[in-house]
Amino acid sequence: NAGVMQNPRHLVRRRGQEARLRCSPMKGHSHVYWYRQLPEEGLKFMVYLQKENIIDESGMPKERFSAEFPKEGPSILRIQQVVRGDSAAYFCASSPPDEKLFFGSGTQLSVL
Amino acid sequence: GENVEQHPSTLSVQEGDSAVIKCTYSDSASNYFPWYKQELGKGPQLIIDIRSNVGEKKDQRIAVTLNKTAKHFSLHITETQPEDSAVYFCAASDGRGNKLVFGAGTILRVKS
Repeated sequence: NAGVMQNPRHLVRRRGQEARLRCSPMKGHSHVYWYRQLPEEGLKFMVYLQKENIIDESGMPKERFSAEFPKEGPSILRIQQVVRGDSAAYFCASSPPDEKLFFGSGTQLSVL
Repeated sequence: GENVEQHPSTLSVQEGDSAVIKCTYSDSASNYFPWYKQELGKGPQLIIDIRSNVGEKKDQRIAVTLNKTAKHFSLHITETQPEDSAVYFCAASDGRGNKLVFGAGTILRVKS
């Protein structure tokens, strides 16, 4: 059973470009979470999704950030018009309904 | 909303000694408390968790205790080994069960 798969592992973008981060949950998991981690800091919640539904987006910046988890395919975290402050590690986690979250290896976003 | 405080931020121990990391939380409705270990360049890995209906749980050299009245929980690692060196995060479920709120992390260094 493969773990949570995130790609790409590293993503470099110039200011103003778009970043798309992908996450495939573990088999059988219908809940996906996105967290952001700045260097030497903890994990900050961004958004919680179930298939085709956003359940909690209280941690998402109001502009430029969006997330989806379609019926088919991976969950996508999309950042439009990236700025240097968006540089961070973005982690996806998936879970079955019992709350145990399993994390992927993350995507390191660097904005030049 | 839920707030999780974690101490200490760094901890150095001699190989073979015990290490204790403590966390407090604010939301009395929280009922799930996992601990994660994160190694450099990797995603957080679940190492042990506890639910509010028990006060203590042990798995080999790792144990977690929970005091619901005082709203604090602790991670205990006995007979530490160099491979225990990593960043450890505590977390608490928010009252609605929608997400985990993480502490800021503890850098554990085990000196051989």
